[in-house]
Amino acid sequence: GAVVSQHPSRVICKSGTSVKIECRSLDFQATTMFWYRQFPKQSLMLMATSNEGSKATYEQGVEKDKFLINHASLTLSTLTVTSAHPEDSSFYICSARDTRDTEAFFGQGTRLTVV
Amino acid sequence: KNEVEQSPQNLTAQEGEFITINCSYSVGISALHWLQQHPGGGIVSLFMLSSGKKKHGRLIATINIQEKHSSLHITASHPRDSAVYICAVRPYYKLIFGTGTRLQVFP
Repeated sequence: GAVVSQHPSRVICKSGTSVKIECRSLDFQATTMFWYRQFPKQSLMLMATSNEGSKATYEQGVEKDKFLINHASLTLSTLTVTSAHPEDSSFYICSARDTRDTEAFFGQGTRLTVV
Repeated sequence: KNEVEQSPQNLTAQEGEFITINCSYSVGISALHWLQQHPGGGIVSLFMLSSGKKKHGRLIATINIQEKHSSLHITASHPRDSAVYICAVRPYYKLIFGTGTRLQVFP
């Protein structure tokens, strides 16, 4: 089946630094990728939708200057958490949809801890 | 009221039991997904449904579009089935998630 690879799986960074999370579709072209955030024991919260070659669409309340999303190719989207603060600590997960738009494939997630 | 409601929120079972998780939604949809999230956090898509019924191994998913309801069944449950099961509906381009059902299967 289709695979979405998300990297890194865990990262610890210092306050004020930036962290980049990558999401790759390994065996299909992903026209659309979604970035989610999940707090403990809560459901996934959509942060933004990215389409290849265009600007990401952010959900209400998500700071686009803080969470930079780039979808430069049909197989790669990146989420950069800029000037990280401890409250940005969370589980981030990406999802990709193929060009046939028939399924949603999820990455393994990234647990970010800001100290 | 959430647009996607799952029940039960928590479920414990003995190995071998038949398990049912329910999902009700209040919006028109083009598809419904059942997802499995293990303790490590990774999510696996189990089914995508737009009508009827699908079966994969010991898992069966059904959907009734008119009643806006879907069920996920696990036959002959096993401890490795322990996970959070999430129902997600797709009214247009993005998914709306239920809060999940935490399943624990004991040997």
